[in-house]
Amino acid sequence: KQEVTQIPAALSVPEGENLVLNCSFTDSAIYNLQWFRQDPGKGLTSLLLIQSSQREQTSGRLNASLDKSSGRSTLYIAASQPGDSATYLCAVPGGGGTSYGKLTFGQGTILTVHP
Amino acid sequence: EADIYQTPRYLVIGTGKKITLECSQTMGHDKMYWYQQDPGMELHLIHYSYGVNSTEKGDLSSESTVSRIRTEHFPLTLESARPSHTSQYLCASMGQGASPLHFGNGTRLTVT
Repeated sequence: KQEVTQIPAALSVPEGENLVLNCSFTDSAIYNLQWFRQDPGKGLTSLLLIQSSQREQTSGRLNASLDKSSGRSTLYIAASQPGDSATYLCAVPGGGGTSYGKLTFGQGTILTVHP
Repeated sequence: EADIYQTPRYLVIGTGKKITLECSQTMGHDKMYWYQQDPGMELHLIHYSYGVNSTEKGDLSSESTVSRIRTEHFPLTLESARPSHTSQYLCASMGQGASPLHFGNGTRLTVT
């Protein structure tokens, strides 16, 4: 059974810092990995999706890497801003094909960026 | 910019009532999902559908039921709400292949 763990559980940083969020998964036979952002009381917004054949994906100030063999992914946020404050979740699908949307989620990292 | 809509956003209801949580998407996605999220906890899949007239139960056991009569619509029903059903319910959809999962804003349900 796939288990996803995120470290740290919470992170508080001053504006402008570069930071790294970590995600690990127990079953390395994944097809892809997604990083999401969740604002309080809201749904999830997909930030980055990394296919199993890729090593990293970038979107603006966000960069996500994937090391399937070691069961790890990191989300790098450059030059953090107060607007980045949210909960960040990583998730992996339970299988391939039609199972892509059946995700196992980590508990998330609560990020606070203060001015 | 959300193309997946959930109503109501908040619902407070008494024990024993029947409720239906609505979810609609305008992207023509075949695959739709319901996730449940308790405060401070992970999301767990409770129902999914791969197309019209297709529904399956997810990994987390749930007393709710779903239907998929139209591609764009995937409502979730609780026949008799109980306080243990208090949670946030998130609907999602996915396009072809390994594409990102799109979530609605969720319905926060409180059963008193």
